Amino acid sequence: GAGVSQSPRYKVTKRGQDVALRCDPISGHVSLYWYRQALGQGPEFLTYFNYEAQQDKSGLPNDRFSAERPEGSISTLTIQRTEQRDSAMYRCASSPGLAGDEQYFGPGTRLTVT
Amino acid sequence: LAKTTQPISMDSYEGQEVNITCSHNNIATNDYITWYQQFPSQGPRFIIQGYKTKVTNEVASLFIPADRKSSTLSLPRVSLSDTAVYYCLVGDRTGGFKTIFGAGTRLFVKA
Repeated sequence: GAGVSQSPRYKVTKRGQDVALRCDPISGHVSLYWYRQALGQGPEFLTYFNYEAQQDKSGLPNDRFSAERPEGSISTLTIQRTEQRDSAMYRCASSPGLAGDEQYFGPGTRLTVT
Repeated sequence: LAKTTQPISMDSYEGQEVNITCSHNNIATNDYITWYQQFPSQGPRFIIQGYKTKVTNEVASLFIPADRKSSTLSLPRVSLSDTAVYYCLVGDRTGGFKTIFGAGTRLFVKA
């Protein structure tokens, strides 16, 4: 079956622009996670959802970052007024049950802010 | 959240058994231990999860002593394709699971 998909796979944007990153989880998966990963480092937790409810957003770096999952399926991570330090791989994962189950990761979106 | 400590890197040869130990001294009663594997340019992939004693699947075994302050991921007879980063995570499954990946252990398997 289809895995987790993310779009776009690559995004180059100019500093100050807003970007929206999309995650399409595995159908029926309850939980959805967003991570940011710098080269050579482990994934950094940003936020997660159970169904449409955002359970924990303590990992979002600042108020320029926001995420939503309005219908409990597709999620969008939005970064406003991008800065060069936002450049990273953004990864999405979903899991079938409530938080704590095995997570299935998507291919990621490579964001480059110039 | 329980903090985890793993070796930064390990080397091995094909065909050997590899054991990667993770320390989690302040693990809580409700915490589970989960291991992920990540290849370059890919997202992490779940390997195994356990609470106590021993768990085994087709890929690996996870050994957890009685005090649960550490755990050991055991990879039998590694091959070159097992070269990857391995992450140990500790978290509570019951009410939320803010997933914290550390730096992981970089395993290099040589021919």
